[in-house]
Amino acid sequence: DAKTTQPTSMDCAEGRAANLPCNHSTISGNEYVYWYRQIHSQGPQYIIHGLKNNETNEMASLIITEDRKSSTLILPHATLRDTAVYYCIVRVANNAGNMLTFGGGTRLMVKP
Amino acid sequence: DTGVSQDPRHKITKRGQNVTFRCDPISEHNRLYWYRQTLGQGPEFLTYFQNEAQLEKSRLLSDRFSAERPKGSFSTLEIQRTEQGDSAMYLCASSLTEMEGTEAFFGQGTRLTVV
Repeated sequence: DAKTTQPTSMDCAEGRAANLPCNHSTISGNEYVYWYRQIHSQGPQYIIHGLKNNETNEMASLIITEDRKSSTLILPHATLRDTAVYYCIVRVANNAGNMLTFGGGTRLMVKP
Repeated sequence: DTGVSQDPRHKITKRGQNVTFRCDPISEHNRLYWYRQTLGQGPEFLTYFQNEAQLEKSRLLSDRFSAERPKGSFSTLEIQRTEQGDSAMYLCASSLTEMEGTEAFFGQGTRLTVV
């Protein structure tokens, strides 16, 4: 699976959009971009994933650049409960398994 | 279904003792995964099952570690002769067999402290 690069930490004001970047310049054509987050003392929580099109669900939006070498996770109206470590992961989605390779992630601090 | 359940949530054990953790996945999920997470790091893959078959094991899974999923439902992870370096959060996750892009659901984890 391709490696990803994320900023170590970011701050965001409550109510504002949080934009979390991820670089994955070595991504292959059959690799998806996944985002998970981990709130303190809890297991990781799936947020969203995409292949090449932008995706949106009730939690967030995922914007993938046309060359697929980077992506941005957008939390449109961050709340204090969004404070967590956010992991960007790229992986092949097939029958070989769902093993996720977590990097260090971005520690997002939402401030009042 | 309440999601992936892990038991116990916390375990303190003396070095050299054996410990066993249990994971109950989401009922219709045929894949089950174990991860380990040390303080300040992201989770690291240990092993996974497709139904009752253990299909892959990480190099992190030393001989002291053994995982089972006897009936393709719940799973256990046993650590024999625990060492202080085994202190970590042990996470279980489950998913469906995917055709294209599906997510894994994680439990709350079991935090092991070896003293």
